[in-house]
Amino acid sequence: AQTVTQSQPEMSVQEAETVTLSCTYDTSENNYDLVWYKQPPSRQMILVIRQEAYKQQNATENRFSVNFQKAAKSFSLKISDSQLGDTAMYFCASSGTYKYIFGTGTRLKVLA
Amino acid sequence: SAVISQKPSRDICQRGTSLTIQCQVDSQVTMMFWYRQQPGQSLTLIATANQGSEATYESGFVIDKFPISRPNLTFSTLTVSNMSPEDSSIYLCSVEGWGRGGPEAFFGQGTRLTVV
Repeated sequence: AQTVTQSQPEMSVQEAETVTLSCTYDTSENNYDLVWYKQPPSRQMILVIRQEAYKQQNATENRFSVNFQKAAKSFSLKISDSQLGDTAMYFCASSGTYKYIFGTGTRLKVLA
Repeated sequence: SAVISQKPSRDICQRGTSLTIQCQVDSQVTMMFWYRQQPGQSLTLIATANQGSEATYESGFVIDKFPISRPNLTFSTLTVSNMSPEDSSIYLCSVEGWGRGGPEAFFGQGTRLTVV
């Protein structure tokens, strides 16, 4: 069975500051990816960043980076230089065999 | 990438009625996925729709309540049957494609369903 846990229902950060969103997971899959999706008020799910679990190097994508700790089954998202447009719901998910398991989400608000 | 068009974007329905949601993809895909997102909650997979075979339902979801059609490789429908207020949710269609350097799930913009 796969589970994904996000323990922070809501967070806020000042514009230009850095924020870290937490995620832990459990999976029985040997081959899996971990992803962060962003869902702004428009409801459109947008992929933020993806980490292939077999890779040790943490993924980065411009202002977004992850801290992937495979042994601890932890996959946190760091947003640097936060912008107002980063305000959204963020979902962590694990991807196994054609199936995504999503966490309950963290609502992030960036404050001007 | 994949572009997904989902209709309707929102609807308000009477309890006891049914609503069919359409999902159109701009490319051929083997599998299409239907998710439910209850108010303030995460996405839960309802079923996986394969062309030419019956959909595969996740635990807690049944075909009588959520019948799915998949007539071709670019189109699927999800019907929410005999609706009750508990069915008020956002329903999202998704496909797996190739994104920025790897596989990626692409989503439609969702259908916000309110049952009164």
